[in-house]
Amino acid sequence: AQKITQTQPGMFVQEKEAVTLDCTYDTSDQSYGLFWYKQPSSGEMIFLIYQGSYDEQNATEGRYSLNFQKARKSANLVISASQLGDSAMYFCAMREGLFGTSYDKVIFGPGTSLSVIP
Amino acid sequence: GAVVSQHPSWVICKSGTSVKIECRSLDFQATTMFWYRQFPKQSLMLMATSNEGSKATYEQGVEKDKFLINHASLTLSTLTVTSAHPEDSSFYICSANTRRGFRNSPLHFGNGTRLTVT
Repeated sequence: AQKITQTQPGMFVQEKEAVTLDCTYDTSDQSYGLFWYKQPSSGEMIFLIYQGSYDEQNATEGRYSLNFQKARKSANLVISASQLGDSAMYFCAMREGLFGTSYDKVIFGPGTSLSVIP
Repeated sequence: GAVVSQHPSWVICKSGTSVKIECRSLDFQATTMFWYRQFPKQSLMLMATSNEGSKATYEQGVEKDKFLINHASLTLSTLTVTSAHPEDSSFYICSANTRRGFRNSPLHFGNGTRLTVT
């Protein structure tokens, strides 16, 4: 079963508008972390934002914010004031398992391709 | 910032030969490294979790005898694709964790290795 679901394979947004990329996850761990990464066509993975399962406030990093709804197991990424350079694949990822051990793992969702329209 | 160097960035090999991919953390000690495989327009699939000085933990369906992972030091992990076949052609990418005990420390990724088996 998919542990991370991203239901939007592709999204379009007008430049300067805000966009929300959806992510839902499934875990039985009490302590886990959620990440968002951006992958441009060059292939590099760029870290955007992190949310811990015990964090009470939603994470923010510049134009990125994470709408964390723990009970619903969702961690949506909000990008404000979209720029042309935001066009890329966006992956939601979850870290679970005992940190620093062989049970430690970080798994990725299927991704959302975002295209920013001028 | 933390830098992960992955080498080679691309390699073409003949069917039946073995290929070694190196992943180095240049300015930090990586207690945990993760190896991923990515097919075109797809997500990152976790292959294994590698902790320094211990055997790698492979994900279900990943052949440990085919994909040999060695994490001999805190700055180097290697993935060897043994007896490569055309179906092993893919983009392989490593990532490393910078700090022990901090679940929220982001993974730092190498730039990936594009393997083509002819």
